[in-house]
Amino acid sequence: GAGVSQSPSNKVTEKGKDVELRCDPISGHTALYWYRQSLGQGLEFLIYFQGNSAPDKSGLPSDRFSAERTGGSVSTLTIQRTQQEDSAVYLCASSLARGSEQFFGPGTRLTVL
Amino acid sequence: DQQVKQNSPSLSVQEGRISILNCDYTNSMFDYFLWYKKYPAEGPTFLISISSIKDKNEDGRFTVFLNKSAKHLSLHIVPSQPGDSAVYFCAASEAGGGADGLTFGKGTHLIIQP
Repeated sequence: GAGVSQSPSNKVTEKGKDVELRCDPISGHTALYWYRQSLGQGLEFLIYFQGNSAPDKSGLPSDRFSAERTGGSVSTLTIQRTQQEDSAVYLCASSLARGSEQFFGPGTRLTVL
Repeated sequence: DQQVKQNSPSLSVQEGRISILNCDYTNSMFDYFLWYKKYPAEGPTFLISISSIKDKNEDGRFTVFLNKSAKHLSLHIVPSQPGDSAVYFCAASEAGGGADGLTFGKGTHLIIQP
């Protein structure tokens, strides 16, 4: 595809359930980033991948959050035992290389009831 | 502890006039700054950037000014057009714009009035 795509676009889940969010970066982009935007807040950096490895996981808010990237392409962000404070828009971005412009996907709006 | 601050949640400007969006930062290690524009239900799109070795960068109607001593940058849009109505995020990074994620401000909602 031409841009970064994310699925699902919306996800409503019950507290305590696990959720998986998917990101398809732009083909050929080696760097991939996950952010989240809570209501009334700016974008908060979560994790960065260079290829399949994640040299920076410092932004993950707790050990309930994990992410992986396979084949240097698709990435999934998993949130275990979701809490209401996890409700946010989760955005994925990719860039051609470390340091180049980041292109964002439309985001996944997660609502934890 | 916010490292990038956009103190105006919203700004209303008349069409044709200049829009000035402001951003302050606290981390002196930041050396690359970006502005992103975001429409509802879409991801942010890159607008313009500036490296800390410069104090001005211009691209069409958009100009970004950087004042390192004041740790302040601003985005000027002139003339403002209705399609400019969006949320504008200021972002910053260390290490020449590379490495890890960007640090974003909370955004300023720009409203262009006809």
